[in-house]
Amino acid sequence: EDKVVQSPLSLVVHEGDTVTLNCSYEVTNFRSLLWYKQEKKAPTFLFMLTSSGIEKKSGRLSSILDKKELFSILNITATQTGDSAIYLCAVSSGETSGSRLTFGEGTQLTVNP
Amino acid sequence: DTEVTQTPKHLVMGMTNKKSLKCEQHMGHRAMYWYKQKAKKPPELMFVYSYEKLSINESVPSRFSPECPNSSLLNLHLHALQPEDSALYLCASSQGRDSPTDTQYFGPGTRLTVL
Repeated sequence: EDKVVQSPLSLVVHEGDTVTLNCSYEVTNFRSLLWYKQEKKAPTFLFMLTSSGIEKKSGRLSSILDKKELFSILNITATQTGDSAIYLCAVSSGETSGSRLTFGEGTQLTVNP
Repeated sequence: DTEVTQTPKHLVMGMTNKKSLKCEQHMGHRAMYWYKQKAKKPPELMFVYSYEKLSINESVPSRFSPECPNSSLLNLHLHALQPEDSALYLCASSQGRDSPTDTQYFGPGTRLTVL
């Protein structure tokens, strides 16, 4: 059975801090690893990672994948209160078109002013 | 444009009612998905449609019946639901290519309450 584990489950920081969120996985037929941010409603797409060692960056957010050790990290630098959300890691797998996403439990990030 | 739309936003129904959730995308995506998300839990996959054919059914009870009338639309028909079915129902779509870069984009969800 495919499994995705995120840590920590909850994190409280002050504005300006840097945070690192972790995601480890065990899946068959791995395709990619995705990070989503979920505030009140639907998850919004952040990054997709398919290759080891290549960092993806978007503003203050960055992420990298290690396919040998089966994990990924999401870094957020100079955090702001607007970064408060649940960050979901998901792994895409499957042999046919139309992939299966398995989600981790998420990390609840709270950024205090 | 990565927009997936869902209607209604909120739905309250009794256990004997029949209702439908609707999802639409105009990105030319050929894979569409239904997920169920309970409070403080991650989304759980229910169904996958690929090229308008049901390709994955995650052992979902028959009181949930998906339908894909065309490549842009996805419905979820609800009948004789239970209170524990109350949740956020999320629709997603992706290009559906057999490719590692296939990315799922989510709609805003329908908040369902079963009384």
